[in-house]
Amino acid sequence: SQKIEQNSEALNIQEGKTATLTCNYTNYSPAYLQWYRQDPGRGPVFLLLIRENEKEKRKERLKVTFDTTLKQSLFHITASQPADSATYLCALYNSGTYKYIFGTGTRLKVLA
Amino acid sequence: KAGVTQTPRYLIKTRGQQVTLSCSPISGHRSVSWYQQTPGQGLQFLFEYFSETQRNKGNFPGRFSGRQFSNSRSEMNVSTLELGDSALYLCASSPQGSYEQYFGPGTRLTVT
Repeated sequence: SQKIEQNSEALNIQEGKTATLTCNYTNYSPAYLQWYRQDPGRGPVFLLLIRENEKEKRKERLKVTFDTTLKQSLFHITASQPADSATYLCALYNSGTYKYIFGTGTRLKVLA
Repeated sequence: KAGVTQTPRYLIKTRGQQVTLSCSPISGHRSVSWYQQTPGQGLQFLFEYFSETQRNKGNFPGRFSGRQFSNSRSEMNVSTLELGDSALYLCASSPQGSYEQYFGPGTRLTVT
């Protein structure tokens, strides 16, 4: 069955460093991969989308890579700040079934 | 533009009762998706509506149903509530031709 895996353990990182989060998937050929941020008690907020034919996408301090051979996406936050502390969700979209599948998220804590 | 709104924000129901949750998408968005979020399972896709038609459905029992109105507003109904239905129910809308999802704040349902 289709599966997305994100590190379930929290990631603690020192302010100013680069945070790298991983999303691995199996039994799936997504057309699009997305990253969302979710704060406690709130709905996820869309951050970035990368298509299957794109290797890398950037937005300000955020960078996403997409390796369809490894079936993996990496999400980077450079010059991390305490305000970046949140749970980050990876989601895959199958344009044939109109279905999104979300990972369980990785909690990031940036220490001042 | 106003964001996605969901009502009510919090709800406490008793086992066996039924509940209806409401979602108003961002103006102009015709696609509305519903998700259930629990600590153990993460975001689980319930169903998606586009132009009043259910376009896709997740693996939930028939007690979970939904509909979409001509103004794109959507409702979700859960009948014969069970304790395991306690969760955060999230609604998301998408603009046509885009795969970005914009989430509402969610409805926190507690079943006692």
